[in-house]
Amino acid sequence: DSGVTQTPKHLITATGQRVTLRCSPRSGDLSVYWYQQSLDQGLQFLIQYYNGEERAKGNILERFSAQQFPDLHSELNLSSLELGDSALYFCASSEAGLSYEQYFGPGTRLTVT
Amino acid sequence: GQNIDQPTEMTATEGAIVQINCTYQTSGFNGLFWYQQHAGEAPTFLSYNVLDGLEEKGRFSSFLSRSKGYSYLLLKELQMKDSASYLCAVRGSYSGAGSYQLTFGKGTKLSVIP
Repeated sequence: DSGVTQTPKHLITATGQRVTLRCSPRSGDLSVYWYQQSLDQGLQFLIQYYNGEERAKGNILERFSAQQFPDLHSELNLSSLELGDSALYFCASSEAGLSYEQYFGPGTRLTVT
Repeated sequence: GQNIDQPTEMTATEGAIVQINCTYQTSGFNGLFWYQQHAGEAPTFLSYNVLDGLEEKGRFSSFLSRSKGYSYLLLKELQMKDSASYLCAVRGSYSGAGSYQLTFGKGTKLSVIP
């Protein structure tokens, strides 16, 4: 158990809908990272937050957005969903400063039908 | 930009040794990671190299050559439970406040057979 929690574990929704994925980082970790993993693309970095502020952006679509709240939990919002958005979405957290390891949550499996 | 290559699949026999290679071309380099990922589960950290050379950790070792943009993960005394995907990831440019972006390769699916 990495200490990172994600809810829900599974989500099935229809095209055009909007969903929110939630992540709670390990206690004390200030950085949260979101990744998308599909079968053909591997693990793709989406976005990173540090202590409530956006720090880095990867291959995140404009239909997707995220935020990190004062209690450090983070939410990833996916809207106007398409079939191709079906994937595993992982959240990871790390300490700031000298730590180099990212700890991954169990993931949310999103299926868009 | 970042480009990370590793073989898609490998098969090895229980008890044997296997080497999984990773080559990378990145615009910034601040370390290379190996993660293990069982199907449908979260990646778990295996090793980290930032200087050239070999890092050994039990049955797993990882090697880095920065000048060649090359790393490998060596797994010894293979066990059935080692069947998993192995992800090579490069830590790139600094993005502020002690934070870095990780770029992952597509992973090598290792099958260990009896």
